Amino acid sequence: DVKVTQSSRYLVKRTGEKVFLECVQDMDHENMFWYRQDPGLGLRLIYFSYDVKMKEKGDIPEGYSVSREKKERFSLILESASTNQTSMYLCASREVIHSPLHFGNGTRLTVT
Amino acid sequence: ILNVEQSPQSLHVQEGDSTNFTCSFPSSNFYALHWYRWETAKSPEALFVMTLNGDEKKKGRISATLNTKEGYSYLYIKGSQPEDSATYLCAVKTSYDKVIFGPGTSLSVIP
Repeated sequence: DVKVTQSSRYLVKRTGEKVFLECVQDMDHENMFWYRQDPGLGLRLIYFSYDVKMKEKGDIPEGYSVSREKKERFSLILESASTNQTSMYLCASREVIHSPLHFGNGTRLTVT
Repeated sequence: ILNVEQSPQSLHVQEGDSTNFTCSFPSSNFYALHWYRWETAKSPEALFVMTLNGDEKKKGRISATLNTKEGYSYLYIKGSQPEDSATYLCAVKTSYDKVIFGPGTSLSVIP
């Protein structure tokens, strides 16, 4: 079974802090994704990566950046956390372009 | 902009009832539709991947149908059980490899 692991289940950060959300997958998947989920809205894509050192903006990249130095790890960075970034963040990986997504358990981030 | 809609937003049913919900999407640039189940405190889990008009998939008591021409998919649960309580997400993948999620349907099965 594919395992996608997110480093923290819950995080509380202050406004202005730099925040790192880490995601690791163990199945050698090339494609990785970061989503956020807010009540009443579908999962919204922040950034994705088709391969190591590649990154593409999703639908809501503002205020975020990503890093993919190794195939198994995809990090989401909040350069200066703001209260409107309080959300559930989900990382996912995908084997090939036609495959469904495999998700991590999510990180619930609260920015105060 | 591709907009994926799901209805109802939430649903409460008695154990043993059968239920169904809907995913609607624009049919242009359609490539595939995914259904996911997301239980509380767990990660979303893929149920079905559907690509062809008229596709029908089944997994135990859960089944799904797809109509790409009119832009909808139905998910059916026969004889609902408390362990079916979850949020069911529909996601549409376009031919440009863009995956758009609907807002989900939250199902509660009352014992």
